[in-house]
Amino acid sequence: DIQMTQSPSAMSASVGDRVTITCRASQGISNYLAWFQQKPGKVPKRLIYASSSLQSGVPSRFSGSGSGTEFTLTISSLQPEDFATYYCLQHNSYPPTFGQGTKLEIK
Amino acid sequence: QVQLVQSGAEVKKPGASVKVSCKASGYTFTSYYMHWVRQAPGQGLEWMGIINPSGGSTSYAQKFQGRVTMTRDTSTSTVYMELSSLRSEDTAVYYCARGEYCSGGSCYSRRTLAEYFQHWGQGTLVTVSS
Repeated sequence: DIQMTQSPSAMSASVGDRVTITCRASQGISNYLAWFQQKPGKVPKRLIYASSSLQSGVPSRFSGSGSGTEFTLTISSLQPEDFATYYCLQHNSYPPTFGQGTKLEIK
Repeated sequence: QVQLVQSGAEVKKPGASVKVSCKASGYTFTSYYMHWVRQAPGQGLEWMGIINPSGGSTSYAQKFQGRVTMTRDTSTSTVYMELSSLRSEDTAVYYCARGEYCSGGSCYSRRTLAEYFQHWGQGTLVTVSS
């Protein structure tokens, strides 16, 4: 199975900060990587697909990059509604695997 | 619009089985694989398995082999996930999520990339407690 190592596992930041979350795959996954945001008690919401494509309706402050084994999710200027847990998901090969999550908290 | 509507919360005793449904609408049911993912309280997302609604073929995560069964009913556009021999560690929210686009025996990577896990059910809480 491909392991997805997400870092950091938790972080605190302030409104207006630029934040970067990283996922590393244990082997190459091309661009079969998606990012999700999940708020407490809610369904995961897809933000980014194909590593860098922004989901329709998602604010442009979210961006994704990477290919192969190293991927990043960047929030250019944190807003209050962005405090949540973020997950990456690889689906290049079976089984699909999630990163362990990054909990983004208010500083 | 695409909708995945899951069955309601369940409370089960250890050793029992639970069957969760996911009813799809707004698209061609047999053209997209369906995945099941679970999330234990305070934990991350865990992939359980997949079903091809067209032919009914399945693939399960090693962890759940022998305990999970995924089925579908094309007449009602519904997929089911049954988990047996429940234990307290199975207490979790269970989600269905739409996956690969496949039609006429072929899967299409470009469309799959664009739509993979875009749509999720609302989740079903399964509580296992004596």
